[in-house]
Amino acid sequence: DAKTTQPPSMDCAEGRAANLPCNHSTISGNEYVYWYRQIHSQGPQYIIHGLKNNETNEMASLIITEDRKSSTLILPHATLRDTAVYYCIVRLLPGNTGKLIFGQGTTLQVKP
Amino acid sequence: NAGVTQTPKFQVLKTGQSMTLQCAQDMNHEYMSWYRQDPGMGLRLIHYSVGAGITDQGEVPNGYNVSRSTTEDFPLRLLSAAPSQTSVYFCASSPNPQVIEAFFGQGTRLTVV
Repeated sequence: DAKTTQPPSMDCAEGRAANLPCNHSTISGNEYVYWYRQIHSQGPQYIIHGLKNNETNEMASLIITEDRKSSTLILPHATLRDTAVYYCIVRLLPGNTGKLIFGQGTTLQVKP
Repeated sequence: NAGVTQTPKFQVLKTGQSMTLQCAQDMNHEYMSWYRQDPGMGLRLIHYSVGAGITDQGEVPNGYNVSRSTTEDFPLRLLSAAPSQTSVYFCASSPNPQVIEAFFGQGTRLTVV
């Protein structure tokens, strides 16, 4: 699985969009980008995933660059409850053993 | 619908003691896994199972055993606890090995003294 690089921390004002970047320059053509988050002391929570096209769901949007070497998770209107560690994961789908490899993640602090 | 349930939530062990961390899911998921999380670090995969009777090692399997006799349960055993195993342990399940969306339990905080 390709390695990912994320900034260790970011701040965002409440109500503003939070844009969390992830670099995955060694990604291969059949690897997907996943995002999870972990609110303090809780188990991680799935947010979104994508392969090439931009994706949107009720929680967030995922923007993947055309060369697929980086992506951005967008929380359109951040709230205090979005304060968490956000993990970007790159892995094969389908056919692999299902392992999720978590890196250090980005700690997002949403401020009033 | 309980989802993924881990017990106990907290545990203190003495070095050399053994114990089993329990994990149960009621979603009929084929795939289950165990992670540990140490301060300031991301989650690291210990063991995983793609179905009843099938288990395999993850990144950090040493000191831990698992078995999967039923679809619902995936216990993690520490045979001889060491202080290095002090950590927060998370169990996760997914409908299939592709793990598009994994569901995590609330964690077990283990301290080995």
